Amino acid sequence: DAGVTQSPTHLIKTRGQHVTLRCSPISGHKSVSWYQQVLGQGPQFIFQYYEKEERGRGNFPDRFSARQFPNYSSELNVNALLLGDSALYLCASSRPTRDTRSFFGQGTRLTVV
Amino acid sequence: AQKVTQAQTEISVVEKEDVTLDCVYETRDTTYYLFWYKQPPSGELVFLIRRNSFDEQNEISGRYSWNFQKSTSSFNFTITASQVVDSAVYFCALSAIYTGGFKTIFGAGTRLFVKA
Repeated sequence: DAGVTQSPTHLIKTRGQHVTLRCSPISGHKSVSWYQQVLGQGPQFIFQYYEKEERGRGNFPDRFSARQFPNYSSELNVNALLLGDSALYLCASSRPTRDTRSFFGQGTRLTVV
Repeated sequence: AQKVTQAQTEISVVEKEDVTLDCVYETRDTTYYLFWYKQPPSGELVFLIRRNSFDEQNEISGRYSWNFQKSTSSFNFTITASQVVDSAVYFCALSAIYTGGFKTIFGAGTRLFVKA
């Protein structure tokens, strides 16, 4: 079975632009979470989605948004990019909402210049 | 509010030494989960273990063992007879459960160097 897949793997954007990151969960997993990992730090929780609804949100500005599709894949959108948004963005999937064991994708490395 | 503290930023050991990675957490919830993840240079987080707040049994898996103590809010991870392949960043994490979902808080990580 395929693991969590994220695309693209690397991305370079200019300040002020918009970016969309994509995630496909493990088959049978209905929950997707997004994390931002700045170099040298631990992952920071951004969103959790379950059954296409937002179930949790971390302390991130409204420039960050996400959605989950009927096939449980997800997109993370970031508007008006700042240099500080440069990070590894990790997607994690898990089974029903209360099973918190998460399986992570390889991440998307976003560089904002 | 939840918090996870990994006080050790970097640890360097020689192969075959034992090493313990410390993790201290804070939460007001009575139901929560604790995790350890490994992040090799490739970047993908690899799940190692999950413990729920009602299960204080220590666990051993091969060269890995975990010591969970609610009295001190600690969930320490020991690697016995370390190997070069153990070199990675290790994260301790805490999941808070709430209606309809959960939120996972990660520590800052401990970078482990195992030298041959």
